[in-house]
This record gives sequence, structure tokens and C-alpha cells, in this order.
Amino acid sequence: ETGVTQTPRHLVMGMTNKKSLKCEQHLGHNAMYWYKQSAKKPLELMFVYNFKEQTENNSVPSRFSPECPNSSHLFLHLHTLQPEDSALYLCASSHYPLLAGDPGEAFFGQGTRLTVV
Amino acid sequence: DQQVKQNSPSLSVQEGRISILNCDYTNSMFDYFLWYKKYPAEGPTFLISISSIKDKNEDGRFTVFLNKSAKHLSLHIVPSQPGDSAVYFCAASVRGTGNQFYFGTGTSLTVIP
Repeated sequence: ETGVTQTPRHLVMGMTNKKSLKCEQHLGHNAMYWYKQSAKKPLELMFVYNFKEQTENNSVPSRFSPECPNSSHLFLHLHTLQPEDSALYLCASSHYPLLAGDPGEAFFGQGTRLTVV
Repeated sequence: DQQVKQNSPSLSVQEGRISILNCDYTNSMFDYFLWYKKYPAEGPTFLISISSIKDKNEDGRFTVFLNKSAKHLSLHIVPSQPGDSAVYFCAASVRGTGNQFYFGTGTSLTVIP
């Protein structure tokens, strides 16, 4: 496989369930991200991991819990979600700019369409 | 507060004509800009980027223009093709601060055959 792969593609869960989203990248990148895309809103950055260390957490509620066991894998653990958390969750990866250079582009997976009922 | 804005949610263009997608930003610290294209049921794919040291970057049919004084960038597609029909997102970042990208809400482009 190549690129950034996300599983599952679709997920329906109840508010009391616990589920996990998985992301895997085969691009040799050292930075991985979780983004949330809600209808008519910009992509919202949720978490950033650089070299497996979390460097950004943009005020995301604790019901979303990321995990990055290595530079190729990223998880988003979900528990006690709310209906307003229904959205497309996108994983991305990129090279982390070690010097003050251009950030370069992020490569995205196809996303997980999450519906909370 | 939205730092990157795409004020046109949709745009329709005839095949062969020019498509112009616009993007405005508010943060004067942004100095690196990207355009992404997204088809339904797929993740965004990178299209073209521009650094603030340039005012134009061209790649085949795609050209991005940057007007720093107006905090405005635009993507020109010439000639437009039906396969260009997609949602286009602009994104901005600050070089040297890592890799946090700020995205706009997207513009849905329809190229009419």
C-alpha cells in the first residue's frame, strides 16, 4: 500500500460507545495530523505529532484521545461522543521541516465519515 | 476566528474557459500558501503552493497569484476541464514554525462541458 490509509471509511456509533480510528502512512514522513471537517466549516486541525511527540492540541475535548505509537501509525480514540461530533475525520502526514524552510505539503487520507447517534 | 477565508462557496465555468478561485487571509504572519483539491469521498490532494517571496507560481494549467499587500491569493485554471470539478481549499502556514496549516472553507468548482 502507498500513501495515507484510514480505517474505517464509515463509522456509526452511539454516544456511549468507544471506538478508534486508525491511520497509517507509507511515505516515510515524520509528522502526522488529525483534522476534522464539518459541513460548511474549514478543516480544523485537532492534533499534530512530530517524531511521535504530540506538539499541538487545538483545544480538543478530552473525549478525543490521540495515540501515535510510531511515525507510521496514528490513532484517534473516541468515547462518549456527542451528535455534534459527527463529521469527516481526516488524517494527514508530512515531512516536518527541520530548518526554517517551507513546510511542504501534507498528504491526506480518504477520511472516516463518523456519525454519532 | 477564521484566518483563511474563501468567500465563494461555489463557482461554475464553461469548459475551456478560465476558472479563478479566490482566497483571503487575515494573519500577516502567513508566508506559505497551498491549494488543495478534493473529490467526493476522497481526501484533499495537494495542487500547488507559493512562498511569500514570490507573487506567482505556475504548474501546467494551474497558476497561483499572491498579493501580500491585499492578503489575497488566487488560483487560475486555464483551460478548465470537466475533470477539474471538485472542491478547492486554500491553506496558509508560517514558515519556520513547524507545520500547522490553516484552511479555508473551500470553493466547489463545476466545469460545464
